[in-house]
Amino acid sequence: GESVGLHLPTLSVQEGDNSIINCAYSNSASDYFIWYKQESGKGPQFIIDIRSNMDKRQGQRVTVLLNKTVKHLSLQIAATQPGDSAVYFCAENIPGNQFYFGTGTSLTVIP
Amino acid sequence: KAGVTQTPRYLIKTRGQQVTLSCSPISGHRSVSWYQQTPGQGLQFLFEYFSETQRNKGNFPGRFSGRQFSNSRSEMNVSTLELGDSALYLCASGRGTGREKLFFGSGTQLSVL
Repeated sequence: GESVGLHLPTLSVQEGDNSIINCAYSNSASDYFIWYKQESGKGPQFIIDIRSNMDKRQGQRVTVLLNKTVKHLSLQIAATQPGDSAVYFCAENIPGNQFYFGTGTSLTVIP
Repeated sequence: KAGVTQTPRYLIKTRGQQVTLSCSPISGHRSVSWYQQTPGQGLQFLFEYFSETQRNKGNFPGRFSGRQFSNSRSEMNVSTLELGDSALYLCASGRGTGREKLFFGSGTQLSVL
């Protein structure tokens, strides 16, 4: 099966700091990637996506970077807030196949 | 626009029983995917349905099955429940065109005693 891994299972940041969550993917054929946020008791919520023909995409306070050379994905959250505390998953998609999710990184924001 | 609805929210069963979970996708979405999530694990793909046909299947035993109806609503069934089947079962809907974001429901928390 596919492997989508995260470098750090937990991450703690001070409120107001920037957060960076990393993700490694294994299949070079993956051409679409999504970051999801999951809060306790809820289903994953879409944050931002990026296609393989892009290296960077920005949203509101979030930026996703894609490095296809080393098969690495990262999510940057600017000015992290307590409401950002959650588990973050990256997911990769190969055309015609399902999404493969990593095990997640737990982000804790310290007030 | 209503989101993805999963019922029931919580379920308690005993070993050997069977269970059926339901998912109503976002209106207009034709694809429904099911995932199993256990503590400390990522989301494990079960299967995907599109226009009433199973389009992709994960590596789960045959005790796990699903179906999709003409209105795109989907059900998944687990027969002969085992303790290890205790998990959060998540349903995600999409247009089904591929390379698109999935929208998840809140899940059904299944506990097998």
